[in-house]
Amino acid sequence: SSELTQDPAVSVALGQTVRITCQGDSLRSYYASWYQQKPGQAPVLVIYGNNNRPSGIPDRFSGSTSGNTASLSITGAQAEDEADYYCNSRDSGGHHYVFGTGTKVTVL
Amino acid sequence: EVQLVQSGAEVKKPGESLKITCKGSGYSFTSYWIAWVRQMPGKGLEWMGIIYPGDSDTRDSPSFQGQVTISADKSISTAYLQWSSLKASDTAMYYCARIWVPAAMTFAFDIWGQGTMVTVSS
Repeated sequence: SSELTQDPAVSVALGQTVRITCQGDSLRSYYASWYQQKPGQAPVLVIYGNNNRPSGIPDRFSGSTSGNTASLSITGAQAEDEADYYCNSRDSGGHHYVFGTGTKVTVL
Repeated sequence: EVQLVQSGAEVKKPGESLKITCKGSGYSFTSYWIAWVRQMPGKGLEWMGIIYPGDSDTRDSPSFQGQVTISADKSISTAYLQWSSLKASDTAMYYCARIWVPAAMTFAFDIWGQGTMVTVSS
């Protein structure tokens, strides 16, 4: 079973801010990375480490961590941000990786 | 350009064997771990295991241990995911991804293959 828990779905009005959370004990030791997946496409890395964005990812995406919870925020959500989002980290033992359960973001 | 290119879609019958591929280019293939990730239809991402092509060290997810074999041939920059006897429940999209570790406590699956759809049906 997954050791990283996410809310199944969230919605956000166009131009507003949405925060997606990921909870798990391993997040006290390892940063989460975050992936965006649109239908029919491979996942794309959007945030890694201590709030780092890969080249080409808009700065409306940001990440943070507090205790056992990692968060991905989209500030000024756009229609093209509608997608599934997954967090990813090591497991509690540190030997394996684990994905969160995924959050479907709908932009209204 | 750094990329991972996977082999094409497969349609197999239960009990058949299969090996799918993931070929890296544009970077030092032997210097990064490669992960395999399963996505069943309409479901989330599941980490299956990883391999370090430099020495073929592998780590399997307990959920997939004994169900699949992960291997690599560094001479041709290719990682493999193999089944000896497929089941209908193996029907899924399979992705490979490069693992990048830029700092302590920090990692990312930064480059993904396009995915290989495996369909197992009688």
